Amino acid sequence: EPEVTQTPSHQVTQMGQEVILRCVPISNHLYFYWYRQILGQKVEFLVSFYNNEISEKSEIFDDQFSVERPDGSNFTLKIRSTKLEDSAMYFCASSQQGAGEQYFGPGTRLTVT
Amino acid sequence: KNEVEQSPQNLTAQEGEFITINCSYSVGISALHWLQQHPGGGIVSLFMLSSGKKKHGRLIATINIQEKHSSLHITASHPRDSAVYICAVYNNNDMRFGAGTRLTVKP
Repeated sequence: EPEVTQTPSHQVTQMGQEVILRCVPISNHLYFYWYRQILGQKVEFLVSFYNNEISEKSEIFDDQFSVERPDGSNFTLKIRSTKLEDSAMYFCASSQQGAGEQYFGPGTRLTVT
Repeated sequence: KNEVEQSPQNLTAQEGEFITINCSYSVGISALHWLQQHPGGGIVSLFMLSSGKKKHGRLIATINIQEKHSSLHITASHPRDSAVYICAVYNNNDMRFGAGTRLTVKP
């Protein structure tokens, strides 16, 4: 069964560094999402992406963040100048339709020290 | 006030019991999702609803659009159902999540 994959599974970085989190969505899906879950808190929407552009972004998704689909398969989240409070689990998801069932990747745990 | 409210926050049941988890939302939606988050952190989609009722095995999800309310039922609960169940609402390419209900089913 097709699945969403994410790499790395765990990333440790120093404050102020840039990180790139990678996702490979399911191949025939058209809508892509990034979510964040700080330890012990609820999942939060960051951004949705369709047709090579951002469809919607939350107030969390400020200039520190960017997304890209650099080729036909990868979907990346870049976090510039990381802060301690960026430490969280980051989930990628994809769906065939905008309001369709979403398939989640296993997550990348980001630890900023 | 949160846009998506779930109740209860925590639920402990004995194996075999019928479980109900509730979700109320205050925004317009095009779809409501029920998700299961395993102890290891992975998230699995259980249901996506825009109206009525869906059933998958021992799981049943219902939604009342007029009342902005959804329920997730688990029949004949089993210890392997222990997880966090999350309600999330989708509208305009944006998803808002409830805080989750932590279910523990004891043998």
